[in-house]
Amino acid sequence: EAQVTQNPRYLITVTGKKLTVTCSQNMNHEYMSWYRQDPGLGLRQIYYSMNVEVTDKGDVPEGYKVSRKEKRNFPLILESPSPNQTSLYFCASSPSQSSYNEQFFGPGTRLTVL
Amino acid sequence: DQQVKQNSPSLSVQEGRISILNCDYTNSMFDYFLWYKKYPAEGPTFLISISSIKDKNEDGRFTVFLNKSAKHLSLHIVPSQPGDSAVYFCAASTIIIPNQFYFGTGTSLTVIP
Repeated sequence: EAQVTQNPRYLITVTGKKLTVTCSQNMNHEYMSWYRQDPGLGLRQIYYSMNVEVTDKGDVPEGYKVSRKEKRNFPLILESPSPNQTSLYFCASSPSQSSYNEQFFGPGTRLTVL
Repeated sequence: DQQVKQNSPSLSVQEGRISILNCDYTNSMFDYFLWYKKYPAEGPTFLISISSIKDKNEDGRFTVFLNKSAKHLSLHIVPSQPGDSAVYFCAASTIIIPNQFYFGTGTSLTVIP
């Protein structure tokens, strides 16, 4: 089944404790992206990647890191999480770099930083 | 600053009637618009899109209208069905800054049987 998977689905952590949220897609998509969803703000793009080893900042990249060492994986790293990073996170992928493609979203990761 | 806005957080419609969800944007450089649907505990799924060279795109019960001069788009669902109850997000992108997408805040649609 073609899908985007994220792990973990739920995570509660404490301020300053490094964490990684994994994202993997099995559709051989070139483009991958991370979003956060917050009440009243909708989805905001954090980082995106147009291909292996090519990443770029989205609208709200502060406090996050990403890497794209393999085409299928695009982990989101929070080196020192803070409470304002408590949010619902979505990973997405798309067949190509074109802005005119739909994105396929993962099921989401709900992160709470205490 | 929110470049894509959905001013109605929620909407209730009777089954069989038309649902109209609205979206406004501020950036005149946006040239591609998409609607996504989201059920609880799931990721958004793509619904329909429209390029700025068109003013209407139709797919079954779903039609998106684009008014570039007003910087406004709308999603029409006819007839509405209970399974359409979900949160709907509009999104926009521009060829000038490719691969960046701007989403609205979402409208929660409830279709009453």
